Amino acid sequence: GDSVTQMEGPVTLSEEACLTINCTYTATGYPSLFWYVQYPGEGLQLLLKATKADDKGSNKGFEATYRKETTSFHLEKGSVQVSDSAVYFCALGNYNQGGKLIFGQGTELSVKP
Amino acid sequence: EAGVVQSPRYKIIEKKQPVAFWCNPISGHNTLYWYLQNLGQGPELLIRYENEEAVDDSQLPKDRFSAERLKGVDSTLKIQPAELGDSAVYLCASSLDLRQGGGDEQFFGPGTRLTVL
Repeated sequence: GDSVTQMEGPVTLSEEACLTINCTYTATGYPSLFWYVQYPGEGLQLLLKATKADDKGSNKGFEATYRKETTSFHLEKGSVQVSDSAVYFCALGNYNQGGKLIFGQGTELSVKP
Repeated sequence: EAGVVQSPRYKIIEKKQPVAFWCNPISGHNTLYWYLQNLGQGPELLIRYENEEAVDDSQLPKDRFSAERLKGVDSTLKIQPAELGDSAVYLCASSLDLRQGGGDEQFFGPGTRLTVL
């Protein structure tokens, strides 16, 4: 079945450092790919998405490109801030499976001043 | 616009007791989801509703879990009796109907953290 694998955390960075969180997937058909973020004490929020190969999703300085050839959707940011500290989830949604989201296990990011 | 509302936010019960969680989706969202999130894991779908119909409940442990979405708006998820392994966060999400071209973004509530002692 469909699945998502993320790099394990926690990831600890200094402010203004570059961030990459790796995400790879296995899926049939043509899924949409998502990054959700969960700040402490809050619910999951959509950070960005891409619906087809070579699409780039971007939001709040974060970017991820849908790479069908490598089945990847890595999250990147050029300069992280303390306020980016959160847990990040990669997910895929397959319309032919009713649109349910399949999540990776999450990667905790901690940014130090 | 109000987001997905869930209550309670926290619940502590003893094993074998019943418990219920409530969810109010975003107005106009026909599709409602209940997810289970264990500590250190990503959410996993328990059940999906389209309006009042449960269209995917394959992952719902039906011996102890039940859910309903009367009138196609609010939903309740129940566990009876609760077991120690049910301690987790229960998330509710909603989205527009995919078939109506609403896109595939799901909006999540803050979750209910259940602790079973």
